[in-house]
Amino acid sequence: NAGVTQTPKFQVLKTGQSMTLQCAQDMNHNSMYWYRQDPGMGLRLIYYSASEGTTDKGEVPNGYNVSRLNKREFSLRLESAAPSQTSVYFCASSLTSGGRGEQFFGPGTRLTVL
Amino acid sequence: AQKVTQAQTEISVVEKEDVTLDCVYETRDTTYYLFWYKQPPSGELVFLIRRNSFDEQNEISGRYSWNFQKSTSSFNFTITASQVVDSAVYFCALSEYSGGGADGLTFGKGTHLIIQP
Repeated sequence: NAGVTQTPKFQVLKTGQSMTLQCAQDMNHNSMYWYRQDPGMGLRLIYYSASEGTTDKGEVPNGYNVSRLNKREFSLRLESAAPSQTSVYFCASSLTSGGRGEQFFGPGTRLTVL
Repeated sequence: AQKVTQAQTEISVVEKEDVTLDCVYETRDTTYYLFWYKQPPSGELVFLIRRNSFDEQNEISGRYSWNFQKSTSSFNFTITASQVVDSAVYFCALSEYSGGGADGLTFGKGTHLIIQP
């Protein structure tokens, strides 16, 4: 039981390049989330998926797109990376939606945009 | 809009001292959930506790205890007899029950706890 896994662990991009961050969970959770963590800012919600087939914007969605590929997988895409997107990205999952359940987090992806 | 404030940016204590981390929240909902997460130097986020807005009982788990007071909108976390392994960044977080609407956690900015040997 791996929990929440994320790939890659580290990535360096040049401004304007694109990439997709992958996330998968094996806990049969319904809801999945993407957050970014910046120094001194805590974590901020980018996008979430309350259930398979649905996605919604969070607090800071600009510059990102997401895909809920199936119940297990939730990917985050940067179409044209900018230095302001340098951050640590965390994926999380929860059994229930609507804010009721605890979220379990992946190990994070450290992204640097030059 | 919901908001979580952790006013203590950094706390440093000597091992075996007790330490309390403060968390103050704002929400317009009557149904909401409060969480604490620990982020050790390795970077992962570890779930510690969830409390719903209808349960104001304090909770104790080993050396950890939580004090939830709706009257002051606070959900404080106390570590008794601190140990070096408690050194980490601790986040308080809030979610409002959306009933199918908005979802996700609102985090405070975190408190960096340093336990000196």
